[in-house]
Formats: sequence, C-alpha cells, structure tokens
Amino acid sequence: DTGVSQDPRHKITKRGQNVTFRCDPISEHNRLYWYRQTLGQGPEFLTYFQNEAQLEKSRLLSDRFSAERPKGSFSTLEIQRTEQGDSAMYLCASSFGTGVGDTQYFGPGTRLTVL
Amino acid sequence: AQSVSQHNHHVILSEAASLELGCNYSYGGTVNLFWYVQYPGQHLQLLLKYFSGDPLVKGIKGFEAEFIKSKFSFNLRKPSVQWSDTAEYFCAVNGGFNKFYFGSGTKLNVKP
Repeated sequence: DTGVSQDPRHKITKRGQNVTFRCDPISEHNRLYWYRQTLGQGPEFLTYFQNEAQLEKSRLLSDRFSAERPKGSFSTLEIQRTEQGDSAMYLCASSFGTGVGDTQYFGPGTRLTVL
Repeated sequence: AQSVSQHNHHVILSEAASLELGCNYSYGGTVNLFWYVQYPGQHLQLLLKYFSGDPLVKGIKGFEAEFIKSKFSFNLRKPSVQWSDTAEYFCAVNGGFNKFYFGSGTKLNVKP
C-alpha cells in the first residue's frame, strides 16, 4: 500500500494559463475526492467520484474547473484560465465503500501558486 | 447546507495538560462525524469517527470524542497531551451522500 499520491507537489503558473493535476488513489479504492484548502481554512469539498462516475460536484467548482477519472483509477483536475484566487492547496483523497462516511485517505496535496 | 465550526483556532498547552477541542455542526439529519489530524509535514489522517451507537468514541493515540446530539457537538479530548500531539486538528461532518464538510482547524502547540 503506497498511499495516495499527487503530482506535481508544487505548481507555479501565470494568470490565464491552464494547469492539470493528477491523483493516484490507493489501488483498490473505488471512491476519489478532490478538495481545495486555503490558508487558515479546512479542506473544502470540490468533487467526488465513485469508480469513473462523477457523483457530486460543489458549486465552488466553476466552469473553469473540470475533473475526470476515466478508468476508475487515477484522476485529473484541470483548471483553465487560472486566476490568482485559485492559489491554494489541492488535496485528493480516496476510500473504499458502498455506503456513506468512508474513511478517506489523503494525499500530500498539490500547492498551486498563480502569479 | 451543512457547516462545521471549530471555535479554538490556536491552543497552546504544556505537556501533561488536558485537552478539549470544540466542534459544532449544523445539520438536521443523521450525521457521521470525524476528527482528522495533520502533523507537521504530513498528510491529513483519521483520528477517530462516529457513525452510531456509543456516543463516546475512542481513537488512536489516546484521543476520544463525545457526540452530544442535543448540542450538535463532537468535542475532542485527551487527558494528558504530549509534545508529539503538536499538530492541526480538523473536525468533519458527512450527512448523506459522500460530501464532507470540514471545520477551519485548530492548531495545537504542546510545549515540552
């Protein structure tokens, strides 16, 4: 069990550029979550996948954000036309379950800085 | 909408002191409650969780939390803290589906 991994760990970009982050969950986990965390705040839910289906999406996720989990394994989160307000830590978590309230295992996060 | 409040943003204690961190949530239905911890330089990890049954839940490293439904609270406690408990603690709630709401966190600093 190698845990949840995220790539890259840090990303610096200029305003208006597109960025893509990758998350590799724990191998047998069927659920995958994306969160955003800004300084002094807890993680804010962005979206959730069960296998390849995106089942929940926060209103925080504007049209510029898109997430995929094409084969029910790794996931990508893309932000188009980045803005300074997108600067945050983007966390991925995975879990195994069929009900609610699974134990989520978090990755180390990708820190995005938009200049 | 659900929300979680953690009123203590920063707590400083000496070793062996007792700890209680407050967590209140707003949601009218059945909830699942969690405490996560983030040690310096590490990922968020689960400390303990409540689904149903005994409202006093025991977790790792001597932590426990009590669910008081009438007060919408899920406070975290530890009788005697150690320097290694220095970390940030997050309360989270999940009330249906798999959408989780986290509090803003409490930074605990334990002085040796």
